[in-house]
Order: sequence, then C-alpha cells, then structure tokens
Amino acid sequence: GAGVSQSPSNKVTEKGKDVELRCDPISGHTALYWYRQRLGQGLEFLIYFQGNSAPDKSGLPSDRFSAERTGESVSTLTIQRTQQEDSAVYLCASSLSPHLAGGPTDTQYFGPGTRLTVL
Amino acid sequence: GQNIDQPTEMTATEGAIVQINCTYQTSGFNGLFWYQQHAGEAPTFLSYNVLDGLEEKGRFSSFLSRSKGYSYLLLKELQMKDSASYLCAVYDYGGATNKLIFGTGTLLAVQP
Repeated sequence: GAGVSQSPSNKVTEKGKDVELRCDPISGHTALYWYRQRLGQGLEFLIYFQGNSAPDKSGLPSDRFSAERTGESVSTLTIQRTQQEDSAVYLCASSLSPHLAGGPTDTQYFGPGTRLTVL
Repeated sequence: GQNIDQPTEMTATEGAIVQINCTYQTSGFNGLFWYQQHAGEAPTFLSYNVLDGLEEKGRFSSFLSRSKGYSYLLLKELQMKDSASYLCAVYDYGGATNKLIFGTGTLLAVQP
C-alpha cells in the first residue's frame, strides 16, 4: 500500500510569510507525528496526534507553530510569520495506535519530508 | 534532560563489518529504534529493541543493554548501497507522551 506522503516537497518563502505543510498518513494509522530536521542536527519531535487530538504538543518551538488533523487522516502543520531559523526539513510519520497494538512497540513510518527554506 | 550520542561519521570497506554505537540518557525509555536515512529521503525502519540482547535481521543486527544505556547496530557484508545515515532513537511512551528522541545520526561511507 501507499506510504506516508507529504506536500509540497520543497517550499521557499520569505521571512514573515505563513506556510502550510501537509501530511497524508498511511491508511488506518491513527497516530501521526511531526518532526523537524535542521541541517546537521537530529530529528526533533514537534507534536503527536492520536486520532484528531494532540495529547503531546511539547515539541512545538513557539506559538507561531500549530497543527491540526481532520478525519483521523490528513494533518497540516502551519508556521506563521516564518523566521530564518525555521528553515529545516519537516518530516511526518504515522503508526498504528499503540493502544491497539497491545503495547509500546509501534513503529513509526516516515514520509519524505518538506524542505522549507525561509529567505 | 535527553541525551543520545552516536559518532558523527564512519567509513568502512565493501564486504566488511561495521558497528555503530549509541549511548543514551533519557527521562523515559520504552525501547530503542534504528533507522536508515539516505540523503534526501525518508528514514526507514531497521530494528527495534526493548529487551536486553541481540536482535538479528539478515545482514543487520541490533543490540541493547538497558543497564548501560547502550545500543549498537551491526552491519555485515557491507554493500555500497549501505552508505547512508543511521539514526538511533529512544522511544518514550506513557501518559500523553508518544515520541521518538533521536541522536544526530551517523553518516556511514562504504568504500570499494
């Protein structure tokens, strides 16, 4: 079946503009995650969705960042008033619900990412 | 705090064996994942360890020692296509938390 898809693959924007990044998870996966990968750094957790709710938003770096998920499917990450330090690859992942899987052995499958460049 | 350490770069020869180490100190621990990431591509799942010991999967094996906060990924019979970054990640799950905490990755170059 289809994997996790993300769009756009590349986004160049000017400082101060808003951007929206989209993630389509694997069908049937109820858990969805956003991560950020800055150049030369490891992946940083941003937010976790279970269904359409986000029980863990602890990784969002500021109130300029928000995310939503609808229909237990598509998710959108929005960055308002972008800054140059927001330049990174934004990765989305999905997994079967750990609760249904019977324990915390839930593999996260990643999309190809959106490369965001803020000029 | 959360700290995951792995070497930045490694070089190995085609056909050889290489071991990539990872040490961790995290507030939560529910297992350790290894992912492979080719440049410009998505990380792909390689292995998961939650109990101490060795898990073998073809040319790839992963080891975990929870008491030492240590894991390694062993790659045998190296091929050129194994040139990639290898990401060590601690799984932190409980309550509202469900996330992977990543190291910076080890860039492996396989030479002929």
